[in-house]
Amino acid sequence: QVQLVQSGSELKRPGASVKVSCKASGYTFTSYNLNWVRQAPGQGLEWMGWINTKTANPTYAQDSTGRFVFSLDTSVDTAYLQISSLKAEDSAVYYCLRGGFGAVLDYWGQGTLVTVSS
Amino acid sequence: QAVVTQEPSLTVSPGGTVTLTCGSTTGAVTSGHYPYWFQQKPGQAPRTLISDASNRYSWTPARFSGSLLGGKAALTLSGAQPEDEADYYCSLFYNGARGVFGGGTKLTVL
Repeated sequence: QVQLVQSGSELKRPGASVKVSCKASGYTFTSYNLNWVRQAPGQGLEWMGWINTKTANPTYAQDSTGRFVFSLDTSVDTAYLQISSLKAEDSAVYYCLRGGFGAVLDYWGQGTLVTVSS
Repeated sequence: QAVVTQEPSLTVSPGGTVTLTCGSTTGAVTSGHYPYWFQQKPGQAPRTLISDASNRYSWTPARFSGSLLGGKAALTLSGAQPEDEADYYCSLFYNGARGVFGGGTKLTVL
């Protein structure tokens, strides 16, 4: 069965970096793109962008700050979200979501809580 | 940047019918926006309910249906159950490449 398993919670200081992983199983990794979505505490969903798993080409949301980087390691069927120069407002749950851009969006990861605090 | 609009909150009686809508500040919502609907219960990851305006997934209860209605995407819940109480989000895609979520609708079954 399709599964997206994300890495565990992170507590980081302002200015640090964090790398969240999303490991896929149960399907051919490069057949579906991956999206990243974040949700600040008590807030709605925010689409951050997606990565083409065949070409590794990322597309970021229009208002992206440039501090987010999407990457892949296809040898281990894993996508990564790296956030640099962390700010308190980056505190959120980060989700990966399979599909889009040629395939329907369907399965979600369980989410990774990133807390930025001094 | 486009803004996707949803009702902040709605209430439905058990067994009743309710329609949630999803609009765009850029104009009418069409199939070219690939409208999606997601359900999120407290403390859980979202679950995808409807794709491309009206397609259910294997896990989507038949009481949920999607459509395009009056220039908006719509999610209709017929025969509401207590377990349908949740936040519902729609998303639209613009220029084929960038997605935007609506602010979400908090649905109360009461």
